[in-house]
Amino acid sequence: SAVISQKPSRDICQRGTSLTIQCQVDSQVTMMFWYRQQPGQSLTLIATANQGSEATYESGFVIDKFPISRPNLTFSTLTVSNMSPEDSSIYLCSVEIGMGSDTQYFGPGTRLTVL
Amino acid sequence: GQNIDQPTEMTATEGAIVQINCTYQTSGFNGLFWYQQHAGEAPTFLSYNVLDGLEEKGRFSSFLSRSKGYSYLLLKELQMKDSASYLCAVRGNNRLAFGKGNQVVVIP
Repeated sequence: SAVISQKPSRDICQRGTSLTIQCQVDSQVTMMFWYRQQPGQSLTLIATANQGSEATYESGFVIDKFPISRPNLTFSTLTVSNMSPEDSSIYLCSVEIGMGSDTQYFGPGTRLTVL
Repeated sequence: GQNIDQPTEMTATEGAIVQINCTYQTSGFNGLFWYQQHAGEAPTFLSYNVLDGLEEKGRFSSFLSRSKGYSYLLLKELQMKDSASYLCAVRGNNRLAFGKGNQVVVIP
């Protein structure tokens, strides 16, 4: 597995503002992902963070709302832009570790509340 | 697309055995994962199945039948710390999709 950290761990933000969440891994990984988990729901993939190129977004998620950076193989950021209360959620980054199974391991998550 | 179905909640007694089922529909199946998620925490990886049969790992075992689109996670000798949500995730065509999770409540 890998050690994955996220910052901030939680935040309370005002409507209309933006928040950038950081994800740091202790080893180089090819695949990094960003998920959202709304209260009582399962995990929904927002996008795959690609190193050196634009992220690949899932249906329903767009770059203007969730810009993602991936400057190297150990770090990524997700920005939640122009927030509304509907964006209140837990945001998780994950990395895929190979060795046959390509298992995804998750960071501790960022709990976001938008007022 | 992918469709994953799990029961929502179950209660079991400390020391007992509990089986959590997951049925799925996907194309290009290439792996099924079980995760444990305690309240307020991130999911942690428990097990991986890609071939039919049973994978045993300590108190946890996971079974897969690809022809039936079915898996279960078996938790033995339940402990209070096993109270958590258990998520089934299926990878099809290299896309990982999660079920809604099964909340297991362990009582003394």
